[in-house]
Amino acid sequence: DAGITQSPRHKVTETGTPVTLRCHQTENHRYMYWYRQDPGHGLRLIHYSYGVKDTDKGEVSDGYSVSRSKTEDFLLTLESATSSQTSVYFCAISEYRAPGYTFGSGTRLTVV
Amino acid sequence: AQSVTQLGSHVSVSEGALVLLRCNYSSSVPPYLFWYVQYPNQGLQLLLKYTSAATLVKGINGFEAEFKKSETSFHLTKPSAHMSDAAEYFCAVSSLRGGSNYKLTFGKGTLLTVNP
Repeated sequence: DAGITQSPRHKVTETGTPVTLRCHQTENHRYMYWYRQDPGHGLRLIHYSYGVKDTDKGEVSDGYSVSRSKTEDFLLTLESATSSQTSVYFCAISEYRAPGYTFGSGTRLTVV
Repeated sequence: AQSVTQLGSHVSVSEGALVLLRCNYSSSVPPYLFWYVQYPNQGLQLLLKYTSAATLVKGINGFEAEFKKSETSFHLTKPSAHMSDAAEYFCAVSSLRGGSNYKLTFGKGTLLTVNP
């Protein structure tokens, strides 16, 4: 996925530990999004950002926080990981007033 | 509010047969509509999008979709399935509602299996 990278690609962590996922873009797009993908649920929006230090909640934001200190980086933090947060997390970017997203390759997170 | 319903979580076709994946949407304003494809262990790739130009939209890999406002539908078709089409397909709706970004709302996905 040109211009957008996620790290790490895979992570296993223990219940109760904090976890941070990183999304990095080189497209200078204004909007960045974090989604989680679970079987039978499709993709659900966790948080999104509409500029540096400007973020807002999505439909499944409980237990997650985000930060965007630079245009190119959008961090997703699980404050205290739980097994229900085992999922595949996707970052996406979009341009100002332009429909459609570009997605990263995803991070597979397992909480044990 | 906007929403998407994909009819059928799993569709199975024979190689060479017609592929039809159904998507109905709900939106209070004129929508933009998308189909994304996800191959195993990969991210989502844009197949095609409707952005209020032609109602019949052609995408990559021989797929196309038709926007039907009266039916609030955006079904995805391909005349002849290939084994390489096996993947999960997501329909999504987006609209610009008083802001400057188009938040996407996704359906739950349809897994396409192609049998030899």
